[in-house]
Amino acid sequence: DADVTQTPRNRITKTGKRIMLECSQTKGHDRMYWYRQDPGLGLRLIYYSFDVKDINKGEISDGYSVSRQAQAKFSLSLESAIPNQTALYFCATRDRVNEQFFGPGTRLTVL
Amino acid sequence: GESVGLHLPTLSVQEGDNSIINCAYSNSASDYFIWYKQESGKGPQFIIDIRSNMDKRQGQRVTVLLNKTVKHLSLQIAATQPGDSAVYFCAEAITGFQKLVFGTGTRLLVSP
Repeated sequence: DADVTQTPRNRITKTGKRIMLECSQTKGHDRMYWYRQDPGLGLRLIYYSFDVKDINKGEISDGYSVSRQAQAKFSLSLESAIPNQTALYFCATRDRVNEQFFGPGTRLTVL
Repeated sequence: GESVGLHLPTLSVQEGDNSIINCAYSNSASDYFIWYKQESGKGPQFIIDIRSNMDKRQGQRVTVLLNKTVKHLSLQIAATQPGDSAVYFCAEAITGFQKLVFGTGTRLLVSP
């Protein structure tokens, strides 16, 4: 969905490196989310934000941090990447009627 | 803890058949349910949702059924097409939700 974009789409990095994944949206939604997807585990929530001044931890926030630079931008950082953070990462926005709109995903590999 | 699960990890059907994908949920407080479709290399895409005050909701070729008694949700796809091949996720939430709880997904394979 071009309304929610993620960069980079693919990234390979080494253990201990700091990584930032970026998400931008043109939908004008206040609510933004970061999910992680692993095979057989579905999507799990890392962090979410209801507006620029609101940041909340999800179920698996350890090892991650986020920044909501503007209504349209929500970045996810891995301060010191480790191999078990290898996964597919999705950003999403939500409208006031509950529907979530997902970005295309970022495939991250930590060696 | 809360969990949303799926009975069948892979479902193979012939083109033109009707498909039924099932989901069990465990949080009786959940009152909003969503089905997502995820094609290879793409993010999940909203298909249809249903609130707990309904038992059935229909969309274009899709129907969602909710059985609150047994905490069961199903997605029915009529006249399944090859383009329906994807992984389907159910998710549950509580109204005013801060997060969705996703199931692990069912892969639907449609043969021509």
